[in-house]
Amino acid sequence: GAGVSQSPSNKVTEKGKDVELRCDPISGHTALYWYRQSLGQGLEFLIYFQGNSAPDKSGLPSDRFSAERTGGSVSTLTIQRTQQEDSAVYLCASSLSGGAFYEQYFGPGTRLTVT
Amino acid sequence: EDKVVQSPLSLVVHEGDTVTLNCSYEVTNFRSLLWYKQEKKAPTFLFMLTSSGIEKKSGRLSSILDKKELFSILNITATQTGDSAVYLCAAHSGTYKYIFGTGTRLKVLA
Repeated sequence: GAGVSQSPSNKVTEKGKDVELRCDPISGHTALYWYRQSLGQGLEFLIYFQGNSAPDKSGLPSDRFSAERTGGSVSTLTIQRTQQEDSAVYLCASSLSGGAFYEQYFGPGTRLTVT
Repeated sequence: EDKVVQSPLSLVVHEGDTVTLNCSYEVTNFRSLLWYKQEKKAPTFLFMLTSSGIEKKSGRLSSILDKKELFSILNITATQTGDSAVYLCAAHSGTYKYIFGTGTRLKVLA
């Protein structure tokens, strides 16, 4: 079946512009996660959704970052007034349910470059 | 603060060698540990470990967890060039969050 998809695959934007990143999880997966991976770094947790609600937003680095999920499916991560330090690969993952015993399936990521 | 530390940071071996990758963790309410292989962008799942001392095996890859000493190892035997990748370890902390290490970059030379 179809895996997790993300769009766009690459995004170059000017500093100060807003960007929207999209994630389509695997059908039927109720849990959805956003991560950020900077060059040479591990995955930094950003936000977790269970259904449409986000019980854990603790990883969002600033109030310029927001995310929503509608219909228990597609999620968008929005970064307002982008800064150069926002440049990274943004990865989305989904799992059948939240919690410790469900593996996460990752999308191919969106590479964001802020110039 | 929850953390996961992987070692070595990078490793270069020749085809046929055996490698051992290390992952140590300090997380609250530990439940599980995952290993992923990341070749380009999307990490692909390798193993989930929840119990100490039980080896998980898949072909030439195997992994084991020690919950007393708070670490896990990933072994790859008879390495091939296709094993070249970044290997990520993640420990589950609290209710929903996985804490990832920075990974071990493995390069296998022909």
